[in-house]
Order: sequence, then C-alpha cells, then structure tokens
Amino acid sequence: QSVLTQPPSASGTPGQRVTISCSGSSSNIGSNYVYWYQQLPGTAPKLLIYRNNQRPSGVPDRFSGSKSGTSASLAISGLRSEDEADYYCAAWDDSLSVYWVFGGGTKLTVL
Amino acid sequence: QVQLQESGPGLVKPSETLSLTCTVSGGSISSYYWSWIRQPPGKGLEWIGYIYYSGSTNYNPSLKSRVTISVDTSKNQFSLKLSSVTAADTAVYYCASQDANYYYYGMDVWGQGTTVTVSS
Repeated sequence: QSVLTQPPSASGTPGQRVTISCSGSSSNIGSNYVYWYQQLPGTAPKLLIYRNNQRPSGVPDRFSGSKSGTSASLAISGLRSEDEADYYCAAWDDSLSVYWVFGGGTKLTVL
Repeated sequence: QVQLQESGPGLVKPSETLSLTCTVSGGSISSYYWSWIRQPPGKGLEWIGYIYYSGSTNYNPSLKSRVTISVDTSKNQFSLKLSSVTAADTAVYYCASQDANYYYYGMDVWGQGTTVTVSS
C-alpha cells in the first residue's frame, strides 16, 4: 500500500487533456512540496514537476502540476503518443521522520 | 549535472545481505543528498533512504532495521546494504541525487537502475 493514492490507470486520445490525481495527508502533501515523475517503459523515472508546479528545463509546458490542501494533480494537455508512460507523485512525509513517499503510479494509455 | 551508475551482484541468496554501489561522475559528491529507491517487478517506487555527503542518514521507517547507507567521498561513491533479504526484496534498485543547496528540486538525477533478484 502506497502512502500517496493515485488512480491505477488513465487514458486519452491524441490532442486531449488528461489529469492524474494524487491524494495524501497533512504530513506529506498537506505540508510539503509535491513532485511528479514520468517513467517510460524500461527506463528510470524522470523528474517532470518539482515544487508543486515547476518544470525542469526541457520539460514541455504541456505538463503542469497543481496542489490544493492534501491533494495534487498532474495535467497533460495536447496529449501525444510519446506521453504513454507510468506517472508517479512523490512528497516528503514528516509523520515519523522525514522521508520520501510515492504514489502507486498511474499508467497512462494514449488511445 | 552529475551522472549516476549503480553496480553490484544481480543475484543474492535469501537471508544474505544485498550490497550495491552508486558511482557519481561529472561532479562532486559534496552538498548532495544521495538516495536509494527500489521498484519490485510490475510495482511502484519505494524510497529506501538517503545519506548526506557528511555521513548523516535517514531511512524509510519500514526498512530501517535492515538498511545501511554509507558514503566514500574519496571514491565519489555511496553504497547500500540491505540485510536478511527475502524474495520480496527482488527489485530494480535506483540511486538518485538531490542538491542540498536546491533541495526543492527534489531527486532530479537518477541512475539507470540495476536489477537484483533474491533466489537460492
């Protein structure tokens, strides 16, 4: 069981806008930054969003993040076939000690 | 930007200790948090722990009793030891870095990962 809760799957057609949710608690999302990672098949995770809504250089502005209370979401607009991947949310959790927690991941399928 | 490369045995026997090393290139090991993360087959990511270049550590509470992370600044390497392994520890193990001066970037550089199988 992951500390952060994500839907196991999402889908969309090319050009569509899709969102992936991530739910946590006051000890993680509620009080710390949220991060999003993209994992293409057979590769290491890649940082997609940091500090709730910031994009590292090189990440297209089609990807955007938001946070409200103890929940966060990742939005992908203008969906492309190469966006088909697993997406993970992450945050620090300071309930027991300070440690990273992840969501269970969302498999995005581009139809 | 630093680059990371994991190395170590791909097969470990049950009850033994898993040992992996992450080699840092393209930069200094100083001023970073160095993490280990794992991913069991077909499952999600699990953070194992980190070490600061100074040697201070922080571990996932669920693994804390079995985990030791150490750093060798002279070799620009940090290492993971996980004791008393079982089949549940079979996973791809990643190392990752987080710049302590820009901690809010999160774990922004990852190694390619190394597969460890626990089996007799």
